[in-house]
Amino acid sequence: DGGITQSPKYLFRKEGQNVTLSCEQNLNHDAMYWYRQDPGQGLRLIYYSQIVNDFQKGDIAEGYSVSREKKESFPLTVTSAQKNPTAFYLCASSMRGQGGTGELFFGEGSRLTVL
Amino acid sequence: QKEVEQNSGPLSVPEGAIASLNCTYSDRGSQSFFWYRQYSGKSPELIMSIYSNGDKEDGRFTAQLNKASQYVSLLIRDSQPSDSATYLCAVRSVNTGTASKLTFGTGTRLQVTL
Repeated sequence: DGGITQSPKYLFRKEGQNVTLSCEQNLNHDAMYWYRQDPGQGLRLIYYSQIVNDFQKGDIAEGYSVSREKKESFPLTVTSAQKNPTAFYLCASSMRGQGGTGELFFGEGSRLTVL
Repeated sequence: QKEVEQNSGPLSVPEGAIASLNCTYSDRGSQSFFWYRQYSGKSPELIMSIYSNGDKEDGRFTAQLNKASQYVSLLIRDSQPSDSATYLCAVRSVNTGTASKLTFGTGTRLQVTL
């Protein structure tokens, strides 16, 4: 079955630790994204990548880092510099050349809690 | 700052009624519009997309777009308890190559009562 797999689903971190969230897709999508969702707020874009070895900052990139070494994979590292990392993190992907349709498909999400 | 505005709700409708969810957006250059359904604790699921003015129907769902008024809506006919969720409006305001940077509203919580 094609889809987007995020792991882990739940993660607890102590303050000062870096953590890496995994995102893998087998949809053959070119573009991948990381969003963050906080209670009562809309999804906010952290980083996105259009092709391998290239990525751009979104609206709230500070304290996060990403890599895109393979088309299928787009891991997100939440660094200790992120002031308020407790949130629901969503990975998404979209297909190239959809004539501007821009539909995003989401993974199941990773819930990070800082203790 | 490009914005997408939704009433947070909750919007309560009885089972079998029509639920009407509304969304306004600030960027006149927006090209594509989406409705996602999100159950509590789950990730968003795409239910409708619309790209041109007018109505688009898919089963019990109808999306309506009015670019002049910068307004997009979602109608759910014959509402069912399983429709109880938060509905997110999303707008594609920048076309950056193959990427699709969507701006999301905060969502409207829908409650379908028995």
